[in-house]
Amino acid sequence: GQNIDQPTEMTATEGAIVQINCTYQTSGFNGLFWYQQHAGEAPTFLSYNVLDGLEEKGRFSSFLSRSKGYSYLLLKELQMKDSASYLCAVVDSNYQLIWGAGTKLIIKP
Amino acid sequence: GAVVSQHPSRVICKSGTSVKIECRSLDFQATTMFWYRQFPKKSLMLMATSNEGSKATYEQGVEKDKFLINHASLTLSTLTVTSAHPEDSSFYICSAPAPGDLYEQYFGPGTRLTVT
Repeated sequence: GQNIDQPTEMTATEGAIVQINCTYQTSGFNGLFWYQQHAGEAPTFLSYNVLDGLEEKGRFSSFLSRSKGYSYLLLKELQMKDSASYLCAVVDSNYQLIWGAGTKLIIKP
Repeated sequence: GAVVSQHPSRVICKSGTSVKIECRSLDFQATTMFWYRQFPKKSLMLMATSNEGSKATYEQGVEKDKFLINHASLTLSTLTVTSAHPEDSSFYICSAPAPGDLYEQYFGPGTRLTVT
C-alpha cells in the first residue's frame, strides 16, 4: 500500500527553528509537496521537490532524499502565524496526490 | 496567476436535500480536476478524479450515486451531494493541475457543507 508518515503534532517557540519530517512509501514518485493549512482553510502551497537536495524559499526550506523516501520542511525564525498544519503529499505514478495526515505545529511565545 | 474558485464557499442544507458545489478554473483550462474531502483532524481525502468529457473516476469507498460529479466543460466541474445527511458535513476542496504541468496543483478555497 501507499503510505505517508509525518508526526501528528509539534511544538516550537517563536523565533526558533523547527524541522518537520515526512517519510513515504508510494507506487512511483513524481515529486513531493509541502502545504500549509490554517484551520478552516484549504491548504496553500509551500514547496515542491522532485530532485534530491535542499531548496530554500525565504524562511522555509524543503529537503528531499528519494533513495531514503524522506523529506523535511525546515521553518526558521518562527512566527505565531506559522501555527498551522503542515501537509506532506507525494505525486505517485498516476500523477495523483497521496497525502500525509498532516503535522500540527504549535508556536508558543 | 492561475486561480481555482469554488461556489458556494459555505452552504447549510437540510437532511435529505441535494447540494451542488462548483469548481472553476478561472484563467486556464483543466481537463482533469480532483475532488477532496477534509475530515476533522485528518488530511485531505481524495474522493474522485473528474474528467472532462468522460465519467469520473472514484476512489475506493466513495459512493458514486451519492457524490455525483460532472465535468461539463474545460473550466467547470461540479460535485453534487445527493440526499445529504449530517455525516456528509465536511469541507470539500477541488484542485486542478497547473497548465502543462501535472506536478503542480492549484487548489480551490474549499466549500464548507453543513447538513442539519
